[in-house]
Amino acid sequence: KAGVTQTPRYLIKTRGQQVTLSCSPISGHRSVSWYQQTPGQGLQFLFEYFSETQRNKGNFPGRFSGRQFSNSRSEMNVSTLELGDSALYLCASSLGDYPPPRGTQYFGPGTRLLVL
Amino acid sequence: AQSVTQLDSHVSVSEGTPVLLRCNYSSSYSPSLFWYVQHPNKGLQLLLKYTSAATLVKGINGFEAEFKKSETSFHLTKPSAHMSDAAEYFCVVSDPPNTGNQFYFGTGTSLTVIP
Repeated sequence: KAGVTQTPRYLIKTRGQQVTLSCSPISGHRSVSWYQQTPGQGLQFLFEYFSETQRNKGNFPGRFSGRQFSNSRSEMNVSTLELGDSALYLCASSLGDYPPPRGTQYFGPGTRLLVL
Repeated sequence: AQSVTQLDSHVSVSEGTPVLLRCNYSSSYSPSLFWYVQHPNKGLQLLLKYTSAATLVKGINGFEAEFKKSETSFHLTKPSAHMSDAAEYFCVVSDPPNTGNQFYFGTGTSLTVIP
């Protein structure tokens, strides 16, 4: 079974631009979560999508948004990029059936975003 | 609220010696706990998980962890370190059932293996 895939793997943007990252979950997984990883803040939860609905949200500004499609693929968008948005963005998928069990999350390789 | 504390930010061991990475958790319910490993420039790989079955959990690559409720600990061990074990290790606790699927990560422990 194929794992979680993320595209692109690397991105370089400038301040003020926007960016869209993509995540394809493991086949059959309906929950997709996004995390931001930085040396200073570690791994921080952005949001979780399940059946095309945002089910859970971390403490990030509204510039960070996401969506999920009917095939469970998810995209994350960051608008008006700031230097501090430079990070590794990780996507994780799980079965995530509602009500949520303690689903094991499987991570993709991440998208490394550099904002100049 | 759920949280985990990884007691060591960095651990160094010699190849062939035991590994101990410490993790304490805080949770208001019976938690689900995980250990993940991250090699440089890679995503996170699941090592093992505890979900209220056996308290001693065996994972991949010879790692295991023991859930100790009385000590609120979930330490990761391996009898003999290998050079390929050098990586960042994360202890994770998940949301209670029926409240979400969010993972709460520790700050990570960087493991160095000395040849």
